[in-house]
Amino acid sequence: AAGVIQSPRHLIKEKRETATLKCYPIPRHDTVYWYQQGPGQDPQFLISFYEKMQSDKGSIPDRFSAQQFSDYHSELNMSSLELGDSALYFCASSSFGTGIQETQYFGPGTRLLVL
Amino acid sequence: AQTVTQSQPEMSVQEAETVTLSCTYDTSESNYYLFWYKQPPSRQMILVIRQEAYKQQNATENRFSVNFQKAAKSFSLKISDSQLGDTAMYFCAFRDYGGSQGNLIFGKGTKLSVKP
Repeated sequence: AAGVIQSPRHLIKEKRETATLKCYPIPRHDTVYWYQQGPGQDPQFLISFYEKMQSDKGSIPDRFSAQQFSDYHSELNMSSLELGDSALYFCASSSFGTGIQETQYFGPGTRLLVL
Repeated sequence: AQTVTQSQPEMSVQEAETVTLSCTYDTSESNYYLFWYKQPPSRQMILVIRQEAYKQQNATENRFSVNFQKAAKSFSLKISDSQLGDTAMYFCAFRDYGGSQGNLIFGKGTKLSVKP
């Protein structure tokens, strides 16, 4: 079965640079979530999109922005990178509805290292 | 705000034995979902099992089962016949029922080591 695809898988950036992370949800999934997981921590919700509209916002810094495109893929744009942004960034997708459809399936993550 | 608590930072179990991971949560909602995700050393987040709060029957998935106590707000995971591949961090997660507030709220995780 098709899974969530994230690219790139690894990314190394310098402080103050920008980064763009991409997420391709499972086919027919209409909702995308972004999470940030620091070393030794649990995943923290950043932002979500449903049908190309932002649906909820968590602890996302103002330096970060995201959008969902017409083909449902999503991009997380990160500017003025700081050392503390080094983390594993997960994208998860689900299908809006109730019950089993609400389950979020995670991609493999993008490991971002800011030097 | 909802919170999820996993009180066991680390646990270990012998191969083929049974282990139970604890999770409690706090919410004022009556309908919600609960999940257990597994994160092996590869750091992939893998769904283990899910429970809908309006269902009284405890969910099971092969060697994995839950003990869902809604009144006590408890959602423990039992792993039977533990295997070396079960070694991982296990996260308990809460999600509101429907609507736009669909993000997962995770506990801090329990690191499980299965010993040969």
